[in-house]
Amino acid sequence: GQSLEQPSEVTAVEGAIVQINCTYQTSGFYGLSWYQQHDGGAPTFLSYNALDGLEETGRFSSFLSRSDSYGYLLLQELQMKDSASYFCAVRDAAMDSNYQLIWGAGTKLIIKP
Amino acid sequence: DSGVTQTPKHLITATGQRVTLRCSPRSGDLSVYWYQQSLDQGLQFLIQYYNGEERAKGNILERFSAQQFPDLHSELNLSSLELGDSALYFCASSVGQGAPHEQYFGPGTRLTVT
Repeated sequence: GQSLEQPSEVTAVEGAIVQINCTYQTSGFYGLSWYQQHDGGAPTFLSYNALDGLEETGRFSSFLSRSDSYGYLLLQELQMKDSASYFCAVRDAAMDSNYQLIWGAGTKLIIKP
Repeated sequence: DSGVTQTPKHLITATGQRVTLRCSPRSGDLSVYWYQQSLDQGLQFLIQYYNGEERAKGNILERFSAQQFPDLHSELNLSSLELGDSALYFCASSVGQGAPHEQYFGPGTRLTVT
């Protein structure tokens, strides 16, 4: 079957660095994405990795290791507004061979002052 | 604001009923995706339309159907509703048809079935 595993909750302190891991098991793989969702809000796109390595976008970085079926999202200089749920998603082929995004259950990031 | 609009924002209905959720994609986007998000869960892909045609299908129940109209807005129809259908329903859009990584999500419709 297809599955993405990520921790359900992570707690960190304002100003610190936090890493949210994602391991995946899918029939195909066409890249790993990260989305942020604030309570009651819509998911918003953060980053995407198709190849191994680190992608940096401001305070956020995302890493992928395809050989390990593993990726992570790194958030630096945490701010209170970063309190949200973070989802990893894998682009895979749907049942009818067209593409779809398969989503993890999300990691709730709690930031303490 | 992603540019994707969804109506209604909230919907409360009884078991056995039928509802229609509406979505308008961002200007210029041809693909519309429907997702279901149950409490504290990830998003389940339901179905995608591209320029009026069904393009990809996920785990969509037979009681659910969707369509995309010539003006590119889309509707998701949910019938014979059950308590377990209570969830947030999101619509997303993109320019291309291949389920790109960057999709733009609407604010969602919260459906409560009582």
